[in-house]
Amino acid sequence: QKEVEQDPGPLSVPEGAIVSLNCTYSNSAFQYFMWYRQYSRKGPELLMYTYSSGNKEDGRFTAQVDKSSKYISLFIRDSQPSDSATYLCAMTNMNRDDKIIFGKGTRLHILP
Amino acid sequence: EAQVTQNPRYLITVTGKKLTVTCSQNMNHEYMSWYRQDPGLGLRQIYYSMNVEVTDKGDVPEGYKVSRKEKRNFPLILESPSPNQTSLYFCASSLVGQTDEQYFGPGTRLTVT
Repeated sequence: QKEVEQDPGPLSVPEGAIVSLNCTYSNSAFQYFMWYRQYSRKGPELLMYTYSSGNKEDGRFTAQVDKSSKYISLFIRDSQPSDSATYLCAMTNMNRDDKIIFGKGTRLHILP
Repeated sequence: EAQVTQNPRYLITVTGKKLTVTCSQNMNHEYMSWYRQDPGLGLRQIYYSMNVEVTDKGDVPEGYKVSRKEKRNFPLILESPSPNQTSLYFCASSLVGQTDEQYFGPGTRLTVT
């Protein structure tokens, strides 16, 4: 089983819809969970990070971690065409100097 | 402006011809890292560095070398490139202890023929 699994998509949704992106993982030592956004021909940029379990909200974005299920989610409300990008989940353990494991990324298209 | 820069952005070369991709950051970050990104394989770490003169292997170090002589620079060296090193390469940096918050460069697209 891979350490981090993420559906590559592509996922196409109409503008204004709620988007749900997900990752599962196998390593129970992971404590920090991140979502990076990568626009075409650009490097990834950190969107949100969450420590341990729970929810974190930032504007239209909500990151959710369920450690009991080893499942993380990113929700995008009122999706916009500018949200079209590849979203990569990433995670690392308590020692934030350790290696970060990235998911393969989900390509998201928001249709105007 | 806080940023990570990489050069060149695009490079086409031939098998066996040594090349270097430069990476520089202006944020005084201790931690720097190189990744390659391939379709279906995602981002994979090549090498990383916790500080000057401290480097370590990532997941896919074979065929690559790095050096960290200055805090701001972390060049990636391919001594004898091969076609399987054709990929999109990203440099990233962060503060030590905050590698979850990495800043990525714009990427270098390398083609080895």
